[in-house]
Amino acid sequence: DAKTTQPPSMDCAEGRAANLPCNHSTISGNEYVYWYRQIHSQGPQYIIHGLKNNETNEMASLIITEDRKSSTLILPHATLRDTAVYYCIVRGNDYKLSFGAGTTVTVRA
Amino acid sequence: EAQVTQNPRYLITVTGKKLTVTCSQNMNHEYMSWYRQDPGLGLRQIYYSMNVEVTDKGDVPEGYKVSRKEKRNFPLILESPSPNQTSLYFCASSFLQGNQPQHFGDGTRLSIL
Repeated sequence: DAKTTQPPSMDCAEGRAANLPCNHSTISGNEYVYWYRQIHSQGPQYIIHGLKNNETNEMASLIITEDRKSSTLILPHATLRDTAVYYCIVRGNDYKLSFGAGTTVTVRA
Repeated sequence: EAQVTQNPRYLITVTGKKLTVTCSQNMNHEYMSWYRQDPGLGLRQIYYSMNVEVTDKGDVPEGYKVSRKEKRNFPLILESPSPNQTSLYFCASSFLQGNQPQHFGDGTRLSIL
């Protein structure tokens, strides 16, 4: 599976959009980009995933660059409950999720 | 409600005393997996199963066993637990087709003394 690179931490103001970058320059053509988050020591929570088109759901938007070497997760209106560690994962056909260190996002009032 | 249920949520036990952590999902998922999470090491896959009676090793299988006799259940067995298996454990499941996401349980915190 392709490795991903994320900034270790970022702050965001409550009510503002949070833009979380992820680099995955070695991604293969059939590998999907998944985003999960983990609040404290709870189970990782699925957010969104995509292959090459931009995706949006009730939680977030995912923007994937045309060359697929990077992506951005957008939380449109961050709340205090969005404070968590966010993981960008590239998953291949083996279904294994390889979690890196993620980005610790702190939403401040 | 669709969910992955792990039991127990917390367990403190002693070295060598066999234990089983249960995992059950009600979504008819074919794929199930166990991960452990340790500080500084992230989540690492222990074992996974593609369907009933089909299991395989992940990245850190030593000291663990699994079974998949029914589609909904995927227990993790520690035959002779040791202190280095003290960790936070997560079970996950998903459909095999369509790149569907994995759904995780709430976790089991094991302490082996």
